[in-house]
Amino acid sequence: NAGVTQTPKFQVLKTGQSMTLQCAQDMNHNSMYWYRQDPGMGLRLIYYSASEGTTDKGEVPNGYNVSRLNKREFSLRLESAAPSQTSVYFCASSGWRYNQPQHFGDGTRLSIL
Amino acid sequence: AQSVTQPDIHITVSEGASLELRCNYSYGATPYLFWYVQSPGQGLQLLLKYFSGDTLVQGIKGFEAEFKRSQSSFNLRKPSVHWSDAAEYFCAVGSNSGGGADGLTFGKGTHLIIQP
Repeated sequence: NAGVTQTPKFQVLKTGQSMTLQCAQDMNHNSMYWYRQDPGMGLRLIYYSASEGTTDKGEVPNGYNVSRLNKREFSLRLESAAPSQTSVYFCASSGWRYNQPQHFGDGTRLSIL
Repeated sequence: AQSVTQPDIHITVSEGASLELRCNYSYGATPYLFWYVQSPGQGLQLLLKYFSGDTLVQGIKGFEAEFKRSQSSFNLRKPSVHWSDAAEYFCAVGSNSGGGADGLTFGKGTHLIIQP
């Protein structure tokens, strides 16, 4: 009954360090997403993967890369972290069709010093 | 491009009173609309969704929402709120690009405070 699992839950990085956020879903969903949440901004789409083997940019992709490792896993990488990337990151998954609701993980709270 | 506006950043309601949270959207075609709730330190939970058909949709926890195309609105309502309803509420619109799910566009959220 796990749903969408994100690791780690918390992380502090120094400017310039790299890091990969992990996400895995056990609902056999085709589509997966990465969002960031900043105070007063709602959630903004970073990247998404409509199906295994494809990835596309969302609203705020700069400074990030993603990998759809297999159907279950979708990782987000910060190559050179910047303070502006301090945020809460959410992974979500859904069925492929547009009318399928997204299921969210509990988030990764990332601070860049 | 689609957009979502939630005009109220904060709303305070007394326990047992009725609630309406406003949501206005901008989208060129038939919108696919969602309301999510987020408790502190948690992820987002789906309350309800609208795709087509009946414009009044029922969700979990006693919530409902009404789609009004003429007003480009999808307001969330609850007849009687409970202290456990205190949370952040997000309205979102989904796009339909070739039938696939491209990701949601969220409003900035409404923070609901419940007074005893």
